[in-house]
Amino acid sequence: DTAVSQTPKYLVTQMGNDKSIKCEQNLGHDTMYWYKQDSKKFLKIMFSYNNKELIINETVPNRFSPKSPDKAHLNLHINSLELGDSAVYFCASSHRQGGSTDTQYFGPGTRLTVL
Amino acid sequence: AQSVTQLDSQVPVFEEAPVELRCNYSSSVSVYLFWYVQYPNQGLQLLLKYLSGSTLVKGINGFEAEFNKSQTSFHLRKPSVHISDTAEYFCAVSRTGGGNKLTFGTGTQLKVEL
Repeated sequence: DTAVSQTPKYLVTQMGNDKSIKCEQNLGHDTMYWYKQDSKKFLKIMFSYNNKELIINETVPNRFSPKSPDKAHLNLHINSLELGDSAVYFCASSHRQGGSTDTQYFGPGTRLTVL
Repeated sequence: AQSVTQLDSQVPVFEEAPVELRCNYSSSVSVYLFWYVQYPNQGLQLLLKYLSGSTLVKGINGFEAEFNKSQTSFHLRKPSVHISDTAEYFCAVSRTGGGNKLTFGTGTQLKVEL
């Protein structure tokens, strides 16, 4: 049973297109995240949602729009894709909001390549 | 704001040798400390974390780390590595009372050779 799943695993697209990445967790967690890992493997948080409510937005361009239909799902929609958006995007979840001590559980990642 | 420094981008080591991966952090407030491991083409998983109490923390797969407040360090060690330990290792911090935000270091690639 996959705890945090993401689809698709690979995404290759042209500049200017719009694409979405889906994330689901079956851990019963309240908080979900999106991270971006660049080509140098640097990992940086983009967004955090708690029970469908946005709580962290790390100055990400507004071409990126997260959507959380329920607390088990957090999708990432990207408009007008640019070359610099090429990266691996990880979804993660943790038990509760404000849980600085909580373990975050990561999905397998989505490798986005913008041509 | 918090920051994490992992000075070694790559650490090659022979199988069954000991290894230490270094992590230093900077923060004006108390932090919690984590080590995550990323195996090739996979997501991250938690190795261990320091929250409070004993400064020596034991994690999965035989890894341990020691929190040193005076040196603001949280180095990861394993007395004898295995080929299967080849992976990217990330040190991270979260601020006490600062919500769930994790700040990661740039990672250390551990390559175990025969």
